[in-house]
Formats: sequence, C-alpha cells, structure tokens
Amino acid sequence: AQSVAQPEDQVNVAEGNPLTVKCTYSVSGNPYLFWYVQYPNRGLQFLLKYITGDNLVKGSYGFEAEFNKSQTSFHLKKPSALVSDSALYFCAVRATGGSYIPTFGRGTSLIVHP
Amino acid sequence: ETGVTQTPRHLVMGMTNKKSLKCEQHLGHNAMYWYKQSAKKPLELMFVYNFKEQTENNSVPSRFSPECPNSSHLFLHLHTLQPEDSALYLCASSQDPAGAETQYFGPGTRLLVL
Repeated sequence: AQSVAQPEDQVNVAEGNPLTVKCTYSVSGNPYLFWYVQYPNRGLQFLLKYITGDNLVKGSYGFEAEFNKSQTSFHLKKPSALVSDSALYFCAVRATGGSYIPTFGRGTSLIVHP
Repeated sequence: ETGVTQTPRHLVMGMTNKKSLKCEQHLGHNAMYWYKQSAKKPLELMFVYNFKEQTENNSVPSRFSPECPNSSHLFLHLHTLQPEDSALYLCASSQDPAGAETQYFGPGTRLLVL
C-alpha cells in the first residue's frame, strides 16, 4: 500500500520569506512524487514531479522540491514567498511498479501574509 | 485553463433526485478519473477509465454510476445521494495511467445534497 502524509493543515509565512510545505510518503519500491496546487474555485494544477535522477526538482512559479530517499520526504520549497502563492497544496505518490494510481495527501493550506 | 471542462460548476439536489455530472477533456488523453474532494481529507479516487474501459472502482457506493462513452467524455450519474456526499467532484485526465504521467484537472463541480 502507498500513502502520503502532509503533517501541517496550514502554513503561514510572511511575503518575501522562504517557505516549506512538508510531505512524507510510504511506497513499495521507488516512488514517483508530485506536487499540485489548488487555487480557490479551481481544480488542481501540476507544479512539479520527481521521477529519477537529480534529487532537486524545479517546477512552476519558482517552486522546487527535494527528494530525500532516506527520510522518505519530498518537501516543497520556495526561496521567497508571494501573497499570490496562497493556495492549497497537495503532495501525491505512486509506485513505479504495480498500481499506476497516485495517492494524494489531504492538502496543506499555505497563507502568505503581506 | 487546463483543457478539462466540467459542467455544471455548482449543483444542489435533493436526496431523491437524479442528476449527472459531465467532464470533457480536449487534450487527446486516454485516461480519465473521478475524484471526490472533501475538506481536510485526502483526495479520494473514485473511478478510473483507460481507453474507455473502467480499470478502477475504489469501493464507491452504487448511488454513483460512471459512464465513459469515449476517451474524451466522462459522466458521473447520481441518484438517491446522501448529505455526506456533498463535496467537490473533480475530473482529471492523463495521457496514459502508466509511467509518471501528470494529471490535468478540471475546475470541479460543487455538489450540495439536501
């Protein structure tokens, strides 16, 4: 079975400060890992994914995530937060073999204060 | 927009009503998905269709009935729903369920069951 944990319901950060949204996962074998963002009244939008290779993945809107196999984590980061980054962020995982259906976390609400 | 459209965007229905949700993708993808999104809960996968064939039914009650007439259209037929079925229903598509495929989501249908 595969699972995702997003331990924080909400993350608050001041504009201009770095932000981190945490994600840990459990999967048999090697993972594919994804981050999606959901703005109000919108569907989820893809941000970035890890497949293989470089542990640091760069994505849309200046976001990046670091794959850490020993800690089974895939935290989302951005060096300088914008108020417009305020949204709901979802981490997802699926195993490279077996079921091809991703498992999503429950989401973390990011609030960036001016 | 992501190329995945959903109608209606909002729906209010009584427990004895019958209604249908529609999803259309304009991306040439082969796989389509229905998800249920409830507040503070992980995204729940309901159904998966690959090349018009249902490949996943995630223990969804029979009051939800999917239909996929072709690879561009997906419906969710609703009948005798319960108030706890009130949620945001998201449709998604991907090129191929296998591999590290990105999913593209529609804006969702906000359903309220009275």
